[in-house]
Amino acid sequence: SAVISQKPSRDICQRGTSLTIQCQVDSQVTMMFWYRQQPGQSLTLIATANQGSEATYESGFVIDKFPISRPNLTFSTLTVSNMSPEDSSIYLCSVKGGPSTDTQYFGPGTRLTVL
Amino acid sequence: AQTVTQSQPEMSVQEAETVTLSCTYDTSESDYYLFWYKQPPSRQMILVIRQEAYKQQNATENRFSVNFQKAAKSFSLKISDSQLGDAAMYFCAYRSAGRNQFYFGTGTSLTVIP
Repeated sequence: SAVISQKPSRDICQRGTSLTIQCQVDSQVTMMFWYRQQPGQSLTLIATANQGSEATYESGFVIDKFPISRPNLTFSTLTVSNMSPEDSSIYLCSVKGGPSTDTQYFGPGTRLTVL
Repeated sequence: AQTVTQSQPEMSVQEAETVTLSCTYDTSESDYYLFWYKQPPSRQMILVIRQEAYKQQNATENRFSVNFQKAAKSFSLKISDSQLGDAAMYFCAYRSAGRNQFYFGTGTSLTVIP
C-alpha cells in the first residue's frame, strides 16, 4: 500500500483567500485523486490528476476554483481559491495502489474551515 | 451514474458481539469492484475489505467478512467479535472495472459499547 501525507492537516482561513494543499506519496503513481468530504457527508471526487497533463474535473468542479498541479509522479497540490464558508470541508488526496490493483489509498486529509 | 446506498446512518454494537452494516448499489455493469472503507475519528481512510464482482465467494479478512449478493446488488459487511477500535465511520464504495472513479455511500457511523 502507498503511504500518503498531506499538508496542512488543518487550517482556518478567511473568506476570499486561497489555500494550497499538498499531497506527497512515498512511491511513484500515475494517477492521483482529490476528494472533498463535506461535514457529515460522503466523499465526492473533485478531479483526477495525471502527471504531465491537465487534471480532469468532475461535474460541479472547475479549474478556476480548484486548480491542481502535478509536477511529478509523487506530488500534487490542490488549491481552493476565493474561499467561502461553503468550502469548509475535509479535502483528501488518494492514489491507486498500483497498475494491477483496483484499490485506492487515502491520505489523512486536510480539514479546512472558512470563516 | 452508479449510486451506492447505505441506509443505516448509525449503528451500535456491544463489544465482542457481531454487527452487520448494509450497502446496496445500483449499476447496469457486470464487472466491478466493491469496497468497505473505515474512517476512524483520526480521519485516515483505511481499506477494510474488497470484493470482485466476478467472484462468487465472499471476501473475508480476519474478523471482517462480506455478504455479496450480486443479483440483489447488496454488499453487507459483517464485523465479528467487535472491538473498541472498530468504532468509526464505514463507507461502502463501488468502482467499475476499467475506470478509476469510486462512488461512495453516505457512510454508517459505528459505535462500539464497552
